[in-house]
Amino acid sequence: SQQGEEDPQALSIQEGENATMNCSYKTSINNLQWYRQNSGRGLVHLILIRSNEREKHSGRLRVTLDTSKKSSSLLITASRAADTASYFCATAQAAGNKLTFGGGTRVLVKP
Amino acid sequence: GAVVSQHPSRVICKSGTSVKIECRSLDFQATTMFWYRQFPKQSLMLMATSNEGSKATYEQGVEKDKFLINHASLTLSTLTVTSAHPEDSSFYICSARDIGGPTGELFFGEGSRLTVL
Repeated sequence: SQQGEEDPQALSIQEGENATMNCSYKTSINNLQWYRQNSGRGLVHLILIRSNEREKHSGRLRVTLDTSKKSSSLLITASRAADTASYFCATAQAAGNKLTFGGGTRVLVKP
Repeated sequence: GAVVSQHPSRVICKSGTSVKIECRSLDFQATTMFWYRQFPKQSLMLMATSNEGSKATYEQGVEKDKFLINHASLTLSTLTVTSAHPEDSSFYICSARDIGGPTGELFFGEGSRLTVL
């Protein structure tokens, strides 16, 4: 069964707009990670946030983690057409342990 | 960054044949690798955890006799889909954990798309 559920399942925005997607999970975690997947390709690691962290930034990406609500959000600012991809959250119950993936959010950025 | 290579990237086979997919960590050692499968427009589902030098740990509902996993070295794990059938057609992705790495990050291969006719 999937640990994470993502919302929305699909998102369509104009270039330059911000994209926000959310992830909820059920059990306690050690860390939560966000990945991007272009169609038919492997996964690219975007960012890892540990359970004792609340917010993390990487370039145009901002991730928040609320362990009390068992949820996380990924914000992509000033989106570009190249950001078009599926984005997955994944949780690990222990560092370096197997990841359980959410359902993913398909993001389409229109030029 | 660390690189994980999967081979082949695409394979088409006839029903009833067996297909082997390789997952290699190119610049690091991995005592543990994970195998996932992904159906179109769906998420990744963990199939099994591959442990170097020991038996793989399979997730519930995954047939170990159908999906044979071998992790013979610190840089190579293989997944063999035995007696493949059309319902086994999927995207198979491996990931590896760097035993020398400081974080919990896993590195993913580019995936192998299996089509069973």
